[in-house]
Amino acid sequence: QVLLVQSGAELRKPGGSVRVSCQTSGYTFTDYYIHWVRQAPGQGLEWLGCINLNVGGAHYAQKFQGRVSVTRDTSITTSNMDLSRLRPDDTAIYYCASGPARGVRSLDYWGQGSLVTVSS
Amino acid sequence: DIQMTQSPSSLSASVGDRVTITCRASQSINNYLNWYAQKAGKAPKLLISGASTLQSGVPSTFSGSGSGTEFTLTISRLQPEDFGTYYCQQSFSTPFTFGPGTKVDIK
Repeated sequence: QVLLVQSGAELRKPGGSVRVSCQTSGYTFTDYYIHWVRQAPGQGLEWLGCINLNVGGAHYAQKFQGRVSVTRDTSITTSNMDLSRLRPDDTAIYYCASGPARGVRSLDYWGQGSLVTVSS
Repeated sequence: DIQMTQSPSSLSASVGDRVTITCRASQSINNYLNWYAQKAGKAPKLLISGASTLQSGVPSTFSGSGSGTEFTLTISRLQPEDFGTYYCQQSFSTPFTFGPGTKVDIK
């Protein structure tokens, strides 16, 4: 079965950067997206961006353009999300999720979430 | 960006009740609409993709309908385990925006 395992919790100071990793397993093909979604405390879900694990093309929400970078490693089973110029309101649980790169592009499988805390 | 709205923002219902949640998109998204359920402290779970395709393992008490700009999620007979927050999401064009969520409490 498909599993997504994320890296652990992180504590950063304002102005710093953070990387969250997501390793996938169980896929028998490579044509799928990894999406990054965050959830601030007590708030809803916010989509940050995605990358096609096969071809490597990334898409980002305009709100995060210039601050977020989503990459994949050469084994194409891991995606990293880098967020820079951190602010306290970036404190959130960051989820990776995977799903088909074609058709309705739903977020079929989710990681366990990684808490990022931004505080001085 | 495509804006998603949901109504109601919260509801309380009794076990066995029929519950309907509405999701609207700011422009036509055909059937590129997905529904997720989330329980406190857990990752979201995909319930329905493509507006009406029930995911494997999701009870048949859940159903989805709609196309274009208006969509509904229906729980035909509410069960105690159905409490939580429900989100719609459009996957028509990036950014793949979510609705604000509907919190369902069991009376």
